[in-house]
Amino acid sequence: SQQGEEDPQALSIQEGENATMNCSYKTSINNLQWYRQNSGRGLVHLILIRSNEREKHSGRLRVTLDTSKKSSSLLITASRAADTASYFCATDKGTYKYIFGTGTRLKVLA
Amino acid sequence: DGGITQSPKYLFRKEGQNVTLSCEQNLNHDAMYWYRQDPGQGLRLIYYSQIVNDFQKGDIAEGYSVSREKKESFPLTVTSAQKNPTAFYLCASSIKVGWGRQETQYFGPGTRLLVL
Repeated sequence: SQQGEEDPQALSIQEGENATMNCSYKTSINNLQWYRQNSGRGLVHLILIRSNEREKHSGRLRVTLDTSKKSSSLLITASRAADTASYFCATDKGTYKYIFGTGTRLKVLA
Repeated sequence: DGGITQSPKYLFRKEGQNVTLSCEQNLNHDAMYWYRQDPGQGLRLIYYSQIVNDFQKGDIAEGYSVSREKKESFPLTVTSAQKNPTAFYLCASSIKVGWGRQETQYFGPGTRLLVL
């Protein structure tokens, strides 16, 4: 199975609410990244968190990393309709390649 | 205008035909990648290259081939041996920052391959 598994698979919220999605992985990592993909498009990098970091912020995004539980969460605050997309986590094990999860499909209703 | 370009946006393949997907980057990145994405799924790695004239198989390399003759270019050929090629193909590049360590991957817009 994939190294990264996102949860939930799909999430539907109202505009203005917060959205939280989680990523679990199996082996130790160098860093973990979150990406966004709009329908039919390429992926866009959101944020990178290193294995020695516990929390990181970027605008309305907050990412946490718990290496003891091998999990990460992405929080989007005050969501907007434009945040509707699929969100993927990707882990770097130091083997020159990233392993992507299956994604969380977020729908923000106006 | 820097970035990664992929062409064509849509590609149709006939039975028994080889087709080549183009990927070009002007970011001066060392590493380049090809991924396959099926509907509702994550990305699966086909091939990756850390340096010119060198590339490695990913998790699903069977039925695909690549070349890396120039730093800027990493074309992917879908051969007739790939029996289920219909998918969305994404190219990416990244900077190498040390042994076994990568940084952010930058993605192209993708090519959708359909079988006639």
